[in-house]
Amino acid sequence: EAQVTQNPRYLITVTGKKLTVTCSQNMNHEYMSWYRQDPGLGLRQIYYSMNVEVTDKGDVPEGYKVSRKEKRNFPLILESPSPNQTSLYFCASSLFYTRGGGTHNEQFFGPGTRLTVL
Amino acid sequence: AQKVTQAQTEISVVEKEDVTLDCVYETRDTTYYLFWYKQPPSGELVFLIRRNSFDEQNEISGRYSWNFQKSTSSFNFTITASQVVDSAVYFCALTLGRDDKIIFGKGTRLHILP
Repeated sequence: EAQVTQNPRYLITVTGKKLTVTCSQNMNHEYMSWYRQDPGLGLRQIYYSMNVEVTDKGDVPEGYKVSRKEKRNFPLILESPSPNQTSLYFCASSLFYTRGGGTHNEQFFGPGTRLTVL
Repeated sequence: AQKVTQAQTEISVVEKEDVTLDCVYETRDTTYYLFWYKQPPSGELVFLIRRNSFDEQNEISGRYSWNFQKSTSSFNFTITASQVVDSAVYFCALTLGRDDKIIFGKGTRLHILP
């Protein structure tokens, strides 16, 4: 089954304790992204990766790191979490392809990780 | 810059009524993709529809229908004969053809009252 998986699904931690949220996709997608969702703000992009070893900042990258050593994995790292990083996080992967003379885009989201930083 | 506006923050309707969720987008690119996602109380994002900028056909899927109008930069979503299970937050989103970034609207919280 084609899917994006995230772990953990729920995490409560304390300020300053480093954590990693893993993201993995089994669709051989080149593009992967991380978003955070906050009430009233919708979803905002944190970082994205267009391929292995290629990453770039999104709209709200401060306080986060990512790496893309393999195509399937795109972990999100919080070196020193703070309470303002309490949020719902989504990983996504996507594929652009051409078929039938047109360009298409398939987007897949993981199930979300609810993070609370005390 | 790209932008997606969902002006309706919250809507409440009685079950079986029809309801339309508005989405207005801004982009100067001619190639783009529009999406609607549903986020039920459980929190996951459920993909509903994708439409590319070259396809202005309206689409119907069961009780759901979408009206894409480039002239007004709108991509509205209508639920016919609403049901309580339709209660959720609905997001409209836009992405360009050249990268992966998705620009989301802030969402519309829909309450279907029994």
